[in-house]
Amino acid sequence: GDSVTQMEGPVTLSEEAFLTINCTYTATGYPSLFWYVQYPGEGLQLLLKATKADDKGSNKGFEATYRKETTSFHLEKGSVQVSDSAVYFCALSSGIQGAQKLVFGQGTRLTINP
Amino acid sequence: GAVVSQHPSWVICKSGTSVKIECRSLDFQATTMFWYRQFPKQSLMLMATSNEGSKATYEQGVEKDKFLINHASLTLSTLTVTSAHPEDSSFYICSATLTSGNTDTQYFGPGTRLTVL
Repeated sequence: GDSVTQMEGPVTLSEEAFLTINCTYTATGYPSLFWYVQYPGEGLQLLLKATKADDKGSNKGFEATYRKETTSFHLEKGSVQVSDSAVYFCALSSGIQGAQKLVFGQGTRLTINP
Repeated sequence: GAVVSQHPSWVICKSGTSVKIECRSLDFQATTMFWYRQFPKQSLMLMATSNEGSKATYEQGVEKDKFLINHASLTLSTLTVTSAHPEDSSFYICSATLTSGNTDTQYFGPGTRLTVL
């Protein structure tokens, strides 16, 4: 079945450091890919998404490019802030329109120190 | 906009009792809602797809008689854990799908932590 693998955490960085969180997937067909973020005490929020190969999703300084050849969707940010501390989930969707089932990676906890 | 709430945020119950968790889309209508379960330091696992006005679709390995799902309206889905046991202790998260044009986006609730003694 479909699956998502994320780099294991936790990840700890200093403020203004460069961030990469790796994500690879296994899927039949052409899934859409997502990054969700969960801040402490809150629900998951959609951070960015890409729906086809070579698409780049971006939001709040984060970027990820849908790489079909390497089945990857790595999350990057050039300069992280303390407020970026959260758990990040990579996910893919399968199923028909209107029944968008998500398959999640295990999550990566990110801590940014001032 | 696109806010999803869950109630309660946490619950402690005795083994053998039933617990109901509510998931509401506060400012939009959701034909489809999903229920997930998350174990500590693990990923979200889809339990079932809840469709308004019809029976839920359960994922393989999820007992439909144990996890009763009702989607009575376009803004409310409920998950009832029947005859709860300690192994049912977990973090339960719902999401609601907002359709805009031909794009579906899932919005998640904050989760409900269930502890069964």
